[in-house]
Amino acid sequence: DAKTTQPTSMDCAEGRAANLPCNHSTISGNEYVYWYRQIHSQGPQYIIHGLKNNETNEMASLIITEDRKSSTLILPHATLRDTAVYYCIVRDRGSQGNLIFGKGTKLSVKP
Amino acid sequence: GAGVSQTPSNKVTEKGKYVELRCDPISGHTALYWYRQSLGQGPEFLIYFQGTGAADDSGLPNDRFFAVRPEGSVSTLKIQRTERGDSAVYLCASSLGGAGANVLTFGAGSRLTVL
Repeated sequence: DAKTTQPTSMDCAEGRAANLPCNHSTISGNEYVYWYRQIHSQGPQYIIHGLKNNETNEMASLIITEDRKSSTLILPHATLRDTAVYYCIVRDRGSQGNLIFGKGTKLSVKP
Repeated sequence: GAGVSQTPSNKVTEKGKYVELRCDPISGHTALYWYRQSLGQGPEFLIYFQGTGAADDSGLPNDRFFAVRPEGSVSTLKIQRTERGDSAVYLCASSLGGAGANVLTFGAGSRLTVL
């Protein structure tokens, strides 16, 4: 079973920030938080990952709470092309095995 | 190539037939993963290779499914005696492997339809 809980769907206005929450209350100290997204008819695309510090790259920011039991993916200026299913995944840093996907959050960016 | 390449992009077959799906990973990536995705669901893990060997095949649903990676690069997913329930998008991903964070790069998938 997936170790994360995400809302099924969210809407966001174009140009506004999209804040996607994820609960991972059973996360262990060795587990990273990963975010991927899947645009319709494409394979999943890596966005960002973090262990305990907040992270930022050219695509998004990842805010992890101090207790690490939840995180938020932030798309600072959402565009229509950001409409996708967003997956939050936790995975042991020492593991070389697979990522376990849940159902993710369907983000719809509206004009 | 620059990304993970999967062929064919679409495959329609009849129930009971044999199917092969191919994955060309990113050059230098030692780890390779197969997933399948049904409509409205997240990707479901099938098998993971580290080099030539299957490090974890716990996701293969039954013995009709088999995958190989003989030279540690290209992989083939083989499905025998296909059933209508095998219809899905089959995704391949590769990664550098090694310790620490492990980012997977996915291909566009092979859509299999079993009539």
